Formats: sequence, structure tokens, C-alpha cells
Amino acid sequence: DGGITQSPKYLFRKEGQNVTLSCEQNLNHDAMYWYRQDPGQGLRLIYYSQIVNDFQKGDIAEGYSVSREKKESFPLTVTSAQKNPTAFYLCASRRTGAQPQHFGDGTRLSIL
Amino acid sequence: QKEVEQDPGPLSVPEGAIVSLNCTYSNSAFQYFMWYRQYSRKGPELLMYTYSSGNKEDGRFTAQVDKSSKYISLFIRDSQPSDSATYLCAMGAGGTSYGKLTFGQGTILTVHP
Repeated sequence: DGGITQSPKYLFRKEGQNVTLSCEQNLNHDAMYWYRQDPGQGLRLIYYSQIVNDFQKGDIAEGYSVSREKKESFPLTVTSAQKNPTAFYLCASRRTGAQPQHFGDGTRLSIL
Repeated sequence: QKEVEQDPGPLSVPEGAIVSLNCTYSNSAFQYFMWYRQYSRKGPELLMYTYSSGNKEDGRFTAQVDKSSKYISLFIRDSQPSDSATYLCAMGAGGTSYGKLTFGQGTILTVHP
């Protein structure tokens, strides 16, 4: 069954700690995206990658880092430099061309 | 001013009502438009995708795009309690920005029996 898998579903971060959110897709999509969703603010783009080994900053990249070593995987690290990390994080992917994005079911990150 | 404006609601309607959800935008470079439905604690699910002005229908859902007025709408006919969710509009431009989406803040819809 093809889809986008995000893990874990819930994650807690201690002060000064880096945490990594996983995103895996088996749809053979080329492009992948990370968004942050806060109540009443819609989705804001953190990072995106059009091909393997290449990625670009989105609108709110500060305090985050990513890698794209495999086509199927696009992990997001929330670093200790991100002072307000509590949010719902969504990963998306799409095929090349005029194709829409499809989303995983998100990871909710909270501060301990 | 935000590039995409969406009335956050909340919107509450009785079962069977026709629902109208709307977004306005300011960036004339936007070429393609989407509506997503998001249930609580879930990721957004694509409902409608269009890249031309006019209407597109899929079952009880109709998406309408008016590029001249920079206005898009989603109509839900014969609304059901299972339609209760947050509805997000999204839009994207072409060229080097292709694939990047700008989202509205979402409208919370409740359909009560």
C-alpha cells in the first residue's frame, strides 16, 4: 500500500536537545517537503527537496536541518536553536510535473 | 497583507446544507489551486486540484476558480457530519517556484445532524 509514513506520531524534546523526525515515502515521488502547522496559521514551509542530495530552505528554515540521501527518505532535525518547536510537523511529497502534494499524518512535537 | 486569505470560521451548518468555502489571493503568479481536507490529528487529504478558471466537479464537491478576481471557492452539496473537518486552500506558481505551495489558514467546518 503506497503512502507517506511519518514517525513517531508524538515526540517530546528536552531543553538543548536535537530531535529528528522521520519521513518515508514509497510512492516513487521526486520532491519532498516539510511543513510546520500552528493553530490558526495554516502550513508554513520549512525545507523542500526536488531531487536526491539537493534541498532548499523554505520560509521558516532557521533552527531546522534536513538531508536527502535517498529518494524515499527526507528526515527533519529540530535543533536546540529552534526556540519555539512545539507544533504539528507535516511531510509531503509529489511527482514531477503538474502534480499536487500528498501528505503524511504528521508528528506532534512538544517541549518537556 | 497575507498572500492567501481564508476565513477561519468556525462554520457550523445542519446536515444536508450547501457549504461555501472561500479564499482570496493577491499574487497573480499563482497558476494552480488545491483544496485539502484535514481531520483532527491527521495530515491534509487532497480533495480538488485545478489549474484553470472555471468549475471542476467531483461528486458532492465543486471547486471554482476566478483568476480575474483572484478568488477560489469550494462548494459542498448535501453536507454530511463526516464532512466536519478543517478545509485548507493552497495555491502555487509556475517557473522556478513550481511545487511550492502557499496555504490559507484553514476553515473549521462542523456539520451537525
